[in-house]
Parts: sequence; C-alpha cells; structure tokens
Amino acid sequence: AQTVTQSQPEMSVQEAETVTLSCTYDTSESDYYLFWYKQPPSRQMILVIRQEAYKQQNATENRFSVNFQKAAKSFSLKISDSQLGDAAMYFCAYRNAGGTSYGKLTFGQGTILTVHP
Amino acid sequence: EPEVTQTPSHQVTQMGQEVILRCVPISNHLYFYWYRQILGQKVEFLVSFYNNEISEKSEIFDDQFSVERPDGSNFTLKIRSTKLEDSAMYFCASSFLRGRLYGYGYTFGSGTRLTVV
Repeated sequence: AQTVTQSQPEMSVQEAETVTLSCTYDTSESDYYLFWYKQPPSRQMILVIRQEAYKQQNATENRFSVNFQKAAKSFSLKISDSQLGDAAMYFCAYRNAGGTSYGKLTFGQGTILTVHP
Repeated sequence: EPEVTQTPSHQVTQMGQEVILRCVPISNHLYFYWYRQILGQKVEFLVSFYNNEISEKSEIFDDQFSVERPDGSNFTLKIRSTKLEDSAMYFCASSFLRGRLYGYGYTFGSGTRLTVV
C-alpha cells in the first residue's frame, strides 16, 4: 500500500516571501502521479499542481513549483511571492497510474500554511 | 469549467438515522469516488465506482455504507445508521479515464458537511 507523509503540520511565511512544503511518499510502483491540493477555509479541494512520475522535469504553475526527487520519493511544493490568499491547508496526494488502479488518491496529513502581511 | 456538484452542503442528522449524500459528477467522466475528511484530519478514500459497480473500497467503507448511480447522472452515498463518528466532510470526485490521460481531470465537489447529533 502507498503512504504519503507530510512532516510539517504548520508552516508560516511573510507575504512576498518563498516557502517550501515537504512531502515524502512510499510506493513500489514506478508509474504514478503526485499532486498538491489546497484546501482553504471553505474546505473545497483545489488542485494546485500535478507531477507525472515518468517526467523528470519538475512541474510549474505560475508561482507554484515542485521539486520531484523520484529516487528519494520526495515531492516538495515551493510557493514563490506568497500572497495572503495562499493561506490554507495543503495536502500532498499520490495516485497510481496504471495496473489495477482505479484512481484512488492517497493523501498526506496536510500542512497548514499561514501567510503574514 | 465543468463542476462536480454536491448536495446538500450541510446536513444534520440524528444518530441512527439513514442519510443520503448526493453528487452530480461531470457528465463525460467515467470514474466516481467518495472521500471523507474528519475535521482537522486528512482526507481518506472511501470508495471508487466504475461501470455501475464498486471497483475499490477502503476498510472504512463497511456494511453501513453503500453507493449507487440510480439514474445515469447522480451518484449517491448512503449511510444506513449514522454514528457520531460519521460526522465529517464528505467529498465526491469524478475523473475521466483514458490510458495515460487519467491523471488529469480529477475533480472534487465542494463537499457535504455531515453532522450527526
């Protein structure tokens, strides 16, 4: 079974600064997807960024980028130029890409990000 | 942009009562999911549904739970006899499966907050 671990229950950052959220995972699969989801106080799950394991290039989406280290099974999220609206709970998630997978997402415990003005 | 719609947004029920949570997935999606998030905790997979049958379920999804797609558009989660510990946010999600592309288009609804009293 796959597991996802987020070791930082809480993080904080000053507005306009950069913050990195950590995630590690464990899997015996070679083909999978990794995701970061943002959950604001409304509790909606919003996809921030996606990484395909077979792609070596790190994914980027505007101010959000990842550092994907497949051998180390590490998938960190970097938020540049942090904004007040970035304050939320962030979840790292894993999904198998093939085989008998039916698309189940496995989530980490979440990191609460606070942005200080 | 297509959305996954969940109703109601908040439901309060008496312990021991049956409750049905409703979801309308995105119309061309093929896989449907329910997840649960107890307040302040991580999001947990409950069940996936494909081709009118359960394809995978977690240990949380016991005999008290059932899912169905009664009319080709709605996707429901029924809890037969609710317990206090069933109080949580329940998220429906749907995805479009086609080979490698199924890492994309995984969309969550905005959730139903279930309170069992």
